Formats: sequence, C-alpha cells, structure tokens
Amino acid sequence: DVKVTQSSRYLVKRTGEKVFLECVQDMDHENMFWYRQDPGLGLRLIYFSYDVKMKEKGDIPEGYSVSREKKERFSLILESASTNQTSMYLCASTTGELAKNIQYFGAGTRLSVL
Amino acid sequence: GNSVTQMEGPVTLSEEAFLTINCTYTATGYPSLFWYVQYPGEGLQLLLKATKADDKGSNKGFEATYRKETTSFHLEKGSVQVSDSAVYFCALSVYSSASKIIFGSGTRLSIRP
Repeated sequence: DVKVTQSSRYLVKRTGEKVFLECVQDMDHENMFWYRQDPGLGLRLIYFSYDVKMKEKGDIPEGYSVSREKKERFSLILESASTNQTSMYLCASTTGELAKNIQYFGAGTRLSVL
Repeated sequence: GNSVTQMEGPVTLSEEAFLTINCTYTATGYPSLFWYVQYPGEGLQLLLKATKADDKGSNKGFEATYRKETTSFHLEKGSVQVSDSAVYFCALSVYSSASKIIFGSGTRLSIRP
C-alpha cells in the first residue's frame, strides 16, 4: 500500500523560529510537492521537486524553501515563521507518468505560528 | 492559463439525496481531470479521474463525465450516505515536466442522517 508520511500532525511555533516540515514517501516517486491548504482557497502549491536536488517554485514560494537530498524525502523549511504561515501543510508525491498522474497525499501538518 | 472553478459550499443534504457538485475548467491543451476527497482529519485521496473527452470516471457510487464541449466535470451520486461527508476537490493536470495538478477551492459536503 502506498504511503506518504508527514513527520508531525500538529506543530506550534513562535514567530521568527525556523521550522522544518518533513515528508517521506515509500513509492520511489520522482515528483514531490508541498501545498498549503486554507479555507476558501483550496490547495496552493508552494514548491515541487521532480528529482533529487531539483526544485521549482510553485504559486506561493515566498517565505519558504525546500530540500530534497534523497529521493524519498522532501523537506519544507520556513526560514523565519510568521503568523500568516499558520495553515495546514500537505505533502504529495506522484510517479510523473501522465497517464496515471495520481498524487498521493500525506495526512497533513497543522502549523500554528504564535 | 489553467484553472478550476467549483461550486462553493457548504452543501448540506439528507441521507439518500441526489448529489451534484459542479466543476468547470479552463486549460491549454488536453487536461486530465480528477476528483479528490478529503475526509475529516486526513489528507486528500483520489476519488475518480478521466483522461480524455467523454470518459466517465466512477468510484464508490460517484461518477463524473469529462465534457469537453462545456469544459465541465461535475461530480454526481445518486444516493448519498452520512459517510460521504467530506471536502471534495476538483482538479486538472496538463502535461509538464513535473505533472503539476491544479486544484479547485474545495466543496464541503455534510450529510444529515
């Protein structure tokens, strides 16, 4: 069974802290994604990666960075957390095959920045 | 550009009612279309998909037909259950190097017993 695991379900951090959100997939997928989910806005893409050490900005990359040192792991970094980054963060992965292109999601990390 | 528009919620229905959640899209090229569902406290999971015009995706009693002429992919179910209460996202993907998916804003569905 496919699995995308996010390291924390809930996090509470203070303004200005550096925050790491970790995501691991066990499906040998090439592509991995970080989204944030906010009420009324749906899912917005922050960053994605199509290979190890490769990354591309999504629609809302400001205030975030990412790291992909190994194929199975994709980390989202908030360099200096701010209250407007309080949100639900979802990680996803996919094989990248157009005919399939099903994204598999983790359960999400709900981050509160105080 | 590519975008997805779906009906705003919340949608509240009684058990066994008929469900329609509208979804329309704009896309360059020929997109694949998806419905994802998010149950309370969980991540999203694929409900159904269609990869070309006139395809019908179906799963768990839900159906959606890829209508190129109306650029729509409406989600339907003939008789909803309390367990269908969730948030439903319409989405599309267009070929690119990283197979990005564009999501609609989501529709929250609540079913009354």
